Amino acid sequence: AQTVTQSQPEMSVQEAETVTLSCTYDTSENNYYLFWYKQPPSRQMILVIRQEAYKQQNATENRFSVNFQKAAKSFSLKISDSQLGDTAMYFCAVRGGATNKLIFGTGTLLAVQP
Amino acid sequence: DVKVTQSSRYLVKRTGEKVFLECVQDMDHENMFWYRQDPGLGLRLIYFSYDVKMKEKGDIPEGYSVSREKKERFSLILESASTNQTSMYLCASSSHGGNEQYFGPGTRLTVT
Repeated sequence: AQTVTQSQPEMSVQEAETVTLSCTYDTSENNYYLFWYKQPPSRQMILVIRQEAYKQQNATENRFSVNFQKAAKSFSLKISDSQLGDTAMYFCAVRGGATNKLIFGTGTLLAVQP
Repeated sequence: DVKVTQSSRYLVKRTGEKVFLECVQDMDHENMFWYRQDPGLGLRLIYFSYDVKMKEKGDIPEGYSVSREKKERFSLILESASTNQTSMYLCASSSHGGNEQYFGPGTRLTVT
């Protein structure tokens, strides 16, 4: 079975600062994928960033980057130069290589303050 | 761009009613999913389908059924709605082996 834990239900950051959202996971699969999804208020869930477990290099998408620690089963999301539009619920998720199913964490509500 | 649409943004139903939630995707995706989202619980998978007329139970299928008669459409059915099914329902789709699921806007269902 796969599990995802997000231990920070809510976080707040000042505009232009950096914030890190934590995620730990557990899976018995050797090949798996990790994701961060963003759900803005009253808007659709969208993919922020993904990481293939077999890749050692941390994924980066513009201001968003991850710190993937495979041995520790940790997958944190760093948002640099936070913007008001980053205010959203952020979900961490894992997918085993042999399945199409995503397992989500409980989410972190991030508020970017002006 | 992938587009996933859901038939209603908000829905209010009475206890015992049969409820249909419809989801349509326009990218010829093989896989479609139904989740419910509750505060503090994240997203939990109800059912998914990897092909027309194929379905598999997710983590919380009790009280729900699904139908997939056409590739682009995946319906979630609440045979007899109950108050504990009040929730946000999200539909998603992905290609076979695809790394990204694309989500619809969600349907907020209230059962009174």
